[in-house]
Amino acid sequence: ETGVTQTPRHLVMGMTNKKSLKCEQHLGHNAMYWYKQSAKKPLELMFVYSLEERVENNSVPSRFSPECPNSSHLFLHLHTLQPEDSALYLCASSQGDLTSYNEQFFGPGTRLTVL
Amino acid sequence: GDSVTQMEGPVTLSEEAFLTINCTYTATGYPSLFWYVQYPGEGLQLLLKATKADDKGSNKGFEATYRKETTSFHLEKGSVQVSDSAVYFCALSVPLWGQNFVFGPGTRLSVLP
Repeated sequence: ETGVTQTPRHLVMGMTNKKSLKCEQHLGHNAMYWYKQSAKKPLELMFVYSLEERVENNSVPSRFSPECPNSSHLFLHLHTLQPEDSALYLCASSQGDLTSYNEQFFGPGTRLTVL
Repeated sequence: GDSVTQMEGPVTLSEEAFLTINCTYTATGYPSLFWYVQYPGEGLQLLLKATKADDKGSNKGFEATYRKETTSFHLEKGSVQVSDSAVYFCALSVPLWGQNFVFGPGTRLSVLP
């Protein structure tokens, strides 16, 4: 595997379910990101991890819980979601610390539908 | 705060037409600038970038020049193809701890044969 991979690619869940999204990067990067992409809205940065520590949380509801066990893996745990949480969830990674220029590499995304 | 503004879409062109997608930015620091492309059903891919004023990024026939005086980074292509149909995002990155990457809203391009 190369680049950034995400599983599953598609997920349908009820509002009472618990599920997790997984992201894995094979680029040796030290920063990882979760974005939410909804129809007709700009990309929303949700979480940033640098060197496995969370450095950004843009007022994301607590029903979204990230986890970064190591620099190659990032999870997004989902619990009691709402229909408005249906969106494409994108993972990205980058190299370098957050004080310097660093382009981001994206995974293909997980299309989430909440019923 | 930092922000990126793009022209509203969708943009519909015929094959071999000239493409311009406007992008302007506001940044407190000295940003690097990017264009990303998102094909249907896929994540974002870096198309081109420029890290300092007057730099020209280019890739796959697309070009954009970093214009500090007008705070712009317009995307151009001389002759578009049907396969260029996608959503294009302008973005900036500033060296700042925390949220250092800002994306524009995206511009959807449709190229008709």
